[in-house]
Amino acid sequence: DGGITQSPKYLFRKEGQNVTLSCEQNLNHDAMYWYRQDPGQGLRLIYYSQIVNDFQKGDIAEGYSVSREKKESFPLTVTSAQKNPTAFYLCASSLAGSYEQYFGPGTRLTVT
Amino acid sequence: GNSVTQMEGPVTLSEEAFLTINCTYTATGYPSLFWYVQYPGEGLQLLLKATKADDKGSNKGFEATYRKETTSFHLEKGSVQVSDSAVYFCALSDLYGGSQGNLIFGKGTKLSVKP
Repeated sequence: DGGITQSPKYLFRKEGQNVTLSCEQNLNHDAMYWYRQDPGQGLRLIYYSQIVNDFQKGDIAEGYSVSREKKESFPLTVTSAQKNPTAFYLCASSLAGSYEQYFGPGTRLTVT
Repeated sequence: GNSVTQMEGPVTLSEEAFLTINCTYTATGYPSLFWYVQYPGEGLQLLLKATKADDKGSNKGFEATYRKETTSFHLEKGSVQVSDSAVYFCALSDLYGGSQGNLIFGKGTKLSVKP
């Protein structure tokens, strides 16, 4: 079955630690996205990538980093510089130039 | 800039009631419009879409019509079920953003349907 997987579903970290969230897709999509979801805030775009080895900052990129070494994978690192990292993180993908995005199940990160 | 405004929730309905969730937008050009649904603890799923004025998107009994004159894309369903309980997001294509493919989302409207 084609789709997007995110792991783990729940992640707990201590303040000051970097943490990497996984996102893999087997839909052969060119573009991939990372969003952050907070209660009452909707979805906010962190980073996006249209092709391998290239990515752009979204609206709230500070404190985050990404890589896109393979078409299928777009990991997100939440660094210790991110002031409020506790949130629900969603990864999505789409065909090049398409606005129809497909979402993974999300990772809930809790930092204490 | 482009933006999406949804009615605030939560919305609580009884089973078989009529549903309307309002969505209005501000955009330059002619964006595509989308409704996504998020069930508890899950990611978002595309519910329906419309790509030009007067188009009607429909899926699973839900409908929304792209109204350019009122810049609206209201979601409707004639008879809701308990299984429709979820958060609904309106979104538009960001034609003049950083890159093609980006969406701008509303804040979401939580729907609870009681038996």
